[in-house]
Amino acid sequence: EAQVTQNPRYLITVTGKKLTVTCSQNMNHEYMSWYRQDPGLGLRQIYYSMNVEVTDKGDVPEGYKVSRKEKRNFPLILESPSPNQTSLYFCASSLRELAGVSYEQYFGPGTRLTVT
Amino acid sequence: GQQVMQIPQYQHVQEGEDFTTYCNSSTTLSNIQWYKQRPGGHPVFLIQLVKSGEVKKQKRLTFQFGEAKKNSSLHITATQTTDVGTYFCAPAAAGNKLTFGGGTRVLVKP
Repeated sequence: EAQVTQNPRYLITVTGKKLTVTCSQNMNHEYMSWYRQDPGLGLRQIYYSMNVEVTDKGDVPEGYKVSRKEKRNFPLILESPSPNQTSLYFCASSLRELAGVSYEQYFGPGTRLTVT
Repeated sequence: GQQVMQIPQYQHVQEGEDFTTYCNSSTTLSNIQWYKQRPGGHPVFLIQLVKSGEVKKQKRLTFQFGEAKKNSSLHITATQTTDVGTYFCAPAAAGNKLTFGGGTRVLVKP
């Protein structure tokens, strides 16, 4: 089954304790992205990756890191989490844009993170 | 990124009635995608519109892209309880970058 998986689904942590949220897709997609969703603010892009070893900042990258060492995985790293990073996080993947045509993005189930 | 405004923010609909949600931009969009997110779920792709004036239908859902490609709409006829959720429009920019609107949260009264 084609899917995007995220782990963990729920996480409660304390300020300053490094954490990683994993994301994996089995569709051989080049493009992967991380979003955070907050009430009243919709979905905002954190980082994205066009392919292996190619990553770039989205709209709200501060406090986050990513890496893309393999095509299927795109982990999100919070080196020193703070309470304002409490949010619902989604990973997504898609085929890479071709000739100006974008493709649908497939979203993971989400990771609800609470930082106290 | 390209900013879009979605209205209304909330939509309470009586089951069986129709409603429309709108997505407006101050700039011309190359294309736009629509997603649905059920309560507690993740966004799921519905459709992509690319051409000026394009209209696409999916059963009771009708999607439209404005002639000037600055706005889009989603019209749902004969609303059902399965239509509950938040509908997002998302213009797609270069590099497959999506900028999501704030969404229209739809509640259905049985």
